[in-house]
Amino acid sequence: AQSVTQLDSHVSVSEGTPVLLRCNYSSSYSPSLFWYVQHPNKGLQLLLKYTSAATLVKGINGFEAEFKKSETSFHLTKPSAHMSDAAEYFCVVSGRAAGNKLTFGGGTRVLVKP
Amino acid sequence: DGGITQSPKYLFRKEGQNVTLSCEQNLNHDAMYWYRQDPGQGLRLIYYSQIVNDFQKGDIAEGYSVSREKKESFPLTVTSAQKNPTAFYLCASSIDSGLPYEQYFGPGTRLTVT
Repeated sequence: AQSVTQLDSHVSVSEGTPVLLRCNYSSSYSPSLFWYVQHPNKGLQLLLKYTSAATLVKGINGFEAEFKKSETSFHLTKPSAHMSDAAEYFCVVSGRAAGNKLTFGGGTRVLVKP
Repeated sequence: DGGITQSPKYLFRKEGQNVTLSCEQNLNHDAMYWYRQDPGQGLRLIYYSQIVNDFQKGDIAEGYSVSREKKESFPLTVTSAQKNPTAFYLCASSIDSGLPYEQYFGPGTRLTVT
């Protein structure tokens, strides 16, 4: 079975300061991992993905994530938050053992203060 | 302009009525998915389809039905048997579910049943 735990349900940051969203996963096989962002009443947009290539993955809008197998983590970071980063973020795992279906974390809502 | 369209954006129904949510994609993707999202929660898989005329139940299929008569279309019917149908419904597609490709999401339909 595969599962994802997002360690913070809410994160509040000031504009211009770093953002860290924490994600731990469990998977029987080498997983594929994704971060998606959802703005209010919108669909999900892919930020970045890890599929067993480089462990440091760069995504859109200045986000990046590092895959750490020993810690089963895939934390998302951004050096400097922008007001437009206020949204909900989902960490997602997929793997052959689960028929390549996506398993979503519970989400982290990010508030950016001016 | 390729993508996934869902209609309508907002839908209101009386309890006891069946309702069908539309999902169309022009990405030439083989696999399509339906998810349900409740406030403060991640996405849960309702049904998915890997090829035309074939579909499988996800984690919460009870009270829902789907069809896949065309590659581009994957409508979801919320039946009167669904005990708590009010939710945000998201449709997604991917290139092929044989590998862990990322999924692309539509803008969603918010269903309210009173």
